[in-house]
Amino acid sequence: QEKVQQSPESLIVPEGAMVSLNCSFSDSASQSIWWYQQHPGKGPKALISIFSNGNKKEGRLTVYLNRASLHVSLHIKDSQPSDSAVYLCAVSSNTNKVVFGTGTRLQVLP
Amino acid sequence: AQTIHQWPVAEIKAVGSPLSLGCTIKGKSSPNLYWYWQATGGTLQQLFYSITVGQVESVVQLNLSASRPKDDQFILSTEKLLLSHSGFYLCAWSHRDWGSSYEQYFGPGTRLTVL
Repeated sequence: QEKVQQSPESLIVPEGAMVSLNCSFSDSASQSIWWYQQHPGKGPKALISIFSNGNKKEGRLTVYLNRASLHVSLHIKDSQPSDSAVYLCAVSSNTNKVVFGTGTRLQVLP
Repeated sequence: AQTIHQWPVAEIKAVGSPLSLGCTIKGKSSPNLYWYWQATGGTLQQLFYSITVGQVESVVQLNLSASRPKDDQFILSTEKLLLSHSGFYLCAWSHRDWGSSYEQYFGPGTRLTVL
């Protein structure tokens, strides 16, 4: 059974700071890792994904994947108050099963 | 453009009563469909997935059942609610050819309170 752990549990940063979120997973055969953003009372929204070792950048977001250490990180550059939300790491296999992490609650102060 | 609707928006039910939650996807044919449950402050947990009409796979047992009566409709139900069923229920879809390894599009959710 895949296990996905995220850290830190919560994070408070000033506007403009660089934010780093971590996610560890247990199954090296996992196909893809997605990061989702969830605002209170809403469904999650996909932000960025990664499939291969290395990094991927989209706008202010950069994601790093290290399959050997079973670790993925999300970095948000120049954080804004509108980035305040819960960030979820999701790990997928090729069997249509998806395991979500415990989440990191981010608060960006103006 | 594809849209996903869930009904009802919120529900307050008594322990032991039946439940039926619905999800409809418009503008997308033959999607993969998923049901998730999230306890208040808890982790999002996948409950069921379906890749075609009439076929539903269970991921975790929570005394719930799911059905896909139409290509664009996914139903979650139980005949007898438990207190532990309270939470936020989310429906999602993904492109069939790509499966769950690709982006999932979530609905607005249904908030269920069991008293």
